[in-house]
Amino acid sequence: AQSVAQPEDQVNVAEGNPLTVKCTYSVSGNPYLFWYVQYPNRGLQFLLKYITGDNLVKGSYGFEAEFNKSQTSFHLKKPSALVSDSALYFCAVRAASGNTPLVFGKGTRLSVIA
Amino acid sequence: DAGITQSPRHKVTETGTPVTLRCHQTENHRYMYWYRQDPGHGLRLIHYSYGVKDTDKGEVSDGYSVSRSKTEDFLLTLESATSSQTSVYFCAISESGRGRTDTQYFGPGTRLTVL
Repeated sequence: AQSVAQPEDQVNVAEGNPLTVKCTYSVSGNPYLFWYVQYPNRGLQFLLKYITGDNLVKGSYGFEAEFNKSQTSFHLKKPSALVSDSALYFCAVRAASGNTPLVFGKGTRLSVIA
Repeated sequence: DAGITQSPRHKVTETGTPVTLRCHQTENHRYMYWYRQDPGHGLRLIHYSYGVKDTDKGEVSDGYSVSRSKTEDFLLTLESATSSQTSVYFCAISESGRGRTDTQYFGPGTRLTVL
């Protein structure tokens, strides 16, 4: 079975500071990994994904994520947080082989304080 | 929201009544999905479709049925709504399930309250 853990329900960071939102996963074999962001009263918006290749993936709005196979992690990062980054962030995973659907984490609420 | 609309956007209904939610896409994508979002649970897959008249169950399918008679429309039906089905429902689409790298794109959601 595949699963995703987002160990922090809430992350607070000051504007201008770097931010990290953590994600660890469990799948059989290689993973496909995704990050989505949800602003209030909106649907989920795709940020970035890791399929294969370079472990550092760059995405929308200046976000990036690093795939670490040995630690089974895919943490989301941004060098300098903006107040407008405040939102709910979801990590998701599916196995590269087979036909299993995408599994989402429970979400991490990011609050960037001015 | 990637050419995806959901209707209604808000609905309040009573326990025991049937409810149908509609997802409509203009992207001609093959795969469509229904999720529910609840605090502390993230998003959970209810049902998905991999083509017209082709559907399969997800993690939390009990109490829900779906239908897809056209590529662009995917309907979610609660045959007899219960208070535990109070949630925000999201539709998503992806171009192809065969290419599992395909990104899912989400609609704006439907907030359903069952009294």
